[in-house]
This record gives sequence, C-alpha cells and structure tokens, in this order.
Amino acid sequence: AQSVTQLGSHVSVSEGALVLLRCNYSSSVPPYLFWYVQYPNQGLQLLLKYTTGATLVKGINGFEAEFKKSETSFHLTKPSAHMSDAAEYFCAVSSLTNAGKSTFGDGTTLTVKP
Amino acid sequence: NAGVTQTPKFQVLKTGQSMTLQCAQDMNHEYMSWYRQDPGMGLRLIHYSVGAGITDQGEVPNGYNVSRSTTEDFPLRLLSAAPSQTSVYFCASYETGGNTIYFGEGSWLTVV
Repeated sequence: AQSVTQLGSHVSVSEGALVLLRCNYSSSVPPYLFWYVQYPNQGLQLLLKYTTGATLVKGINGFEAEFKKSETSFHLTKPSAHMSDAAEYFCAVSSLTNAGKSTFGDGTTLTVKP
Repeated sequence: NAGVTQTPKFQVLKTGQSMTLQCAQDMNHEYMSWYRQDPGMGLRLIHYSVGAGITDQGEVPNGYNVSRSTTEDFPLRLLSAAPSQTSVYFCASYETGGNTIYFGEGSWLTVV
C-alpha cells in the first residue's frame, strides 16, 4: 500500500523568498518519489524524482528535494521564488513493484507575490 | 517526438451518451495509465495496463472500460456518461522500471 500527503493546499511566498512545499509518503516497499508541476490548463511536467542513490535530488528550474526515510518525507524547496514558479505542484509515490499504480497527493497551489 | 497524444482535448457530452478518449504513445512503453483530476483531489488512477492484452483497475474504475490491443494505444471508454464524470483526464505512459511518467496534455470532459 502507498499514499501521499501534501501539507498545505495553498502556499504563498514573496518573490525572492524560500519556497518549501511539504510531502510525506507511506509505502510498504522502497519508494520512488516524484514532484510534478502543472500550469493552468496544461498537463503535468516532471520536476524531479528520487529512485535510489543520492537522497538530495536536483531538478529543473532550480528546485530540489531531499528524501528522508526516517521522516518519510520528500519536501520540495527552491531558495528564491520567481513569479514564473506560480503553479500547482504534485508529489507522487510509486515503486519498482508498483510501476503502473502511482499515487498522487492532492496538490499544493503556489502563489508568488511581487 | 510526439510522446503521449490524447484526443479530443475538449468534449461536452449529454448524460447517458458514450464516448472514447483516445491515447497513443510512440515511446514503446509497456506501462500505460488513465487518471482523472478533480479540484482539490489530485490525480486518481482509473485503469492501467502493464502490456498489450493486460489491464487492471485502479482507484476509481466504475463507469469506465479500457483495452490494450497494441503497445501504442490505450483508449478509455465511458459507457454511459454521468455528470460525476466531468473531469480532466490524463493518459500516461511509463518507462520500463516505472521510474518516469510521461503525461499527455489532458482531455477536458464536461457531462451535462
């Protein structure tokens, strides 16, 4: 069984401020973890992923996430927010044995204030 | 590369009508899935397939049928549309090993 909880359905930051989007997961097997971004009326774009190896993962657009097994977390961060980062972000979990059944969180809408 | 192609992008149906959402991928991926996205609920898995001729149910399969006659195509059929099926539908395909999902651009369906 697997599940994802995204803490905070809406996050608002000022331009230039730190972005922190929280994701906790549950998985009975070693997880694969993902962050996706979705802009209005568009599909989902992969930001970054963790499968095995280094626990700090760097993605596109300056985002990174750290897999913390002890905390069952995979929080997404960016040091300095840009107006173009405003979008909805989804955390997802799957596994090698569950490849066809990725589970998504409910999403976090990021607003960036000028 | 076309990637994952969904058609139609927009559709309005009357209650009780049937229709098929088409999905095709040109990456020779074994795994394909259909999700629906509703406000505040993220993406929920409808059906998925691990290869041609093999399909299985996801979290919310009722009211939908799928088939996988070829590796490339994975159509989603609404048998008798209901207003509760108003949603955005995403088709996805997966690399072997399942560690990267490729999404189509979505199909916006309204049932009136």
